[in-house]
Amino acid sequence: EPEVTQTPSHQVTQMGQEVILRCVPISNHLYFYWYRQILGQKVEFLVSFYNNEISEKSEIFDDQFSVERPDGSNFTLKIRSTKLEDSAMYFCASSDPGTGASTDTQYFGPGTRLTVL
Amino acid sequence: QKEVEQNSGPLSVPEGAIASLNCTYSDRVSQSFFWYRQYSGKSPELIMSIYSNGDKEDGRFTAQLNKASQYVSLLIRDSQPSDSATYLCAVYSNSGYALNFGKGTSLLVTP
Repeated sequence: EPEVTQTPSHQVTQMGQEVILRCVPISNHLYFYWYRQILGQKVEFLVSFYNNEISEKSEIFDDQFSVERPDGSNFTLKIRSTKLEDSAMYFCASSDPGTGASTDTQYFGPGTRLTVL
Repeated sequence: QKEVEQNSGPLSVPEGAIASLNCTYSDRVSQSFFWYRQYSGKSPELIMSIYSNGDKEDGRFTAQLNKASQYVSLLIRDSQPSDSATYLCAVYSNSGYALNFGKGTSLLVTP
């Protein structure tokens, strides 16, 4: 069964450093997403991406964040200058708008645990 | 800010009983609703989606939607210890691109 994959599973970085989190969405999906979950808190939407551009972003997704689809399979989240409060689980998700609508089921990857020291 | 509200629990039920999980949402125009299960330290795993008023059954799971009351629920029949997890209710934003999650209800099924 196709699944979303993410690398690395755990990333430790120093405050102020840049990190890139990588995701391979399900191959025939067209919508891609990033979410984060701070320990003990709810899953929060960061950004959605369709047709090589951002379709929606949350207030959390400020200028320190960027997303890219560098090739036909990878989808990346870059944090330019990490802060302590960026420590969280980051989940990638993808969906297949088979009906032509964007509101289809989102399938989540296993996540990357980011620890900022 | 559109909200999705869930009782955080923990909800404790004995093995074999029915677990009932509830969720309310504030955005009246929401059309798509999802239940995910999340084990500790893991990612959300889809259980069910529901789009129309009424009940939708899949195995031991039944989702119920009442758009007039802005209420969606999940029933788990014949609960098993392996069902012990946090259950997340998620609703699409009115833009149709973002899932808004509740904080989740922790379910504990005791043998």
